[in-house]
Amino acid sequence: SQTIHQWPATLVQPVGSPLSLECTVEGTSNPNLYWYRQAAGRGLQLLFYSVGIGQISSEVPQNLSASRPQDRQFILSSKKLLLSDSGFYLCAWDRGMSYGYTFGSGTRLTVV
Amino acid sequence: KQEVTQIPAALSVPEGENLVLNCSFTDSAIYNLQWFRQDPGKGLTSLLLIQSSQREQTSGRLNASLDKSSGRSTLYIAASQPGDSATYLCAVRGNDYKLSFGAGTTVTVRA
Repeated sequence: SQTIHQWPATLVQPVGSPLSLECTVEGTSNPNLYWYRQAAGRGLQLLFYSVGIGQISSEVPQNLSASRPQDRQFILSSKKLLLSDSGFYLCAWDRGMSYGYTFGSGTRLTVV
Repeated sequence: KQEVTQIPAALSVPEGENLVLNCSFTDSAIYNLQWFRQDPGKGLTSLLLIQSSQREQTSGRLNASLDKSSGRSTLYIAASQPGDSATYLCAVRGNDYKLSFGAGTTVTVRA
């Protein structure tokens, strides 16, 4: 069966520090991978998605970036965090357009 | 741009009552629609996926209907239990990879 792992679960980082969130999927190959952010009082916002190794599409220009160094690994990064980067970050995957999303357990990021 | 609306924003019912959660979307050219459940501080758990060619999907006490032409979906939860208390999110996929989410309906089932 397929599983998705996301870590860390919680993170408190000072403004201006770097960020690296990791997501891995097991039990499947060539998944579509997604990073979403859920901010307080706002809906879920797609940040990045990837349909293959090295392929990254950005939905929202900001100081975040994403990389996919391996088929089942998706990394969200920032060189310098802003207060506005605080939120709940969710990784997700699917097999294709006809399939539903499966989400990870999320990372609660607080920038102080 | 697809807009997804969920009404009501919050709902409180006594245990045993049936729940009806509504979702509407502005662009009927969808690929599929997915209902999720989110517990406080947790990730999203998929409940039901309805393809655009389908009218409904059922899983246990859950039933979701889809009327693509009118841009509506309804999630029915029969015989609610306190464990059903959570936020329910509706998400629509158009002809691309991303999902457009509603703001959710927060359900409280009173014992």
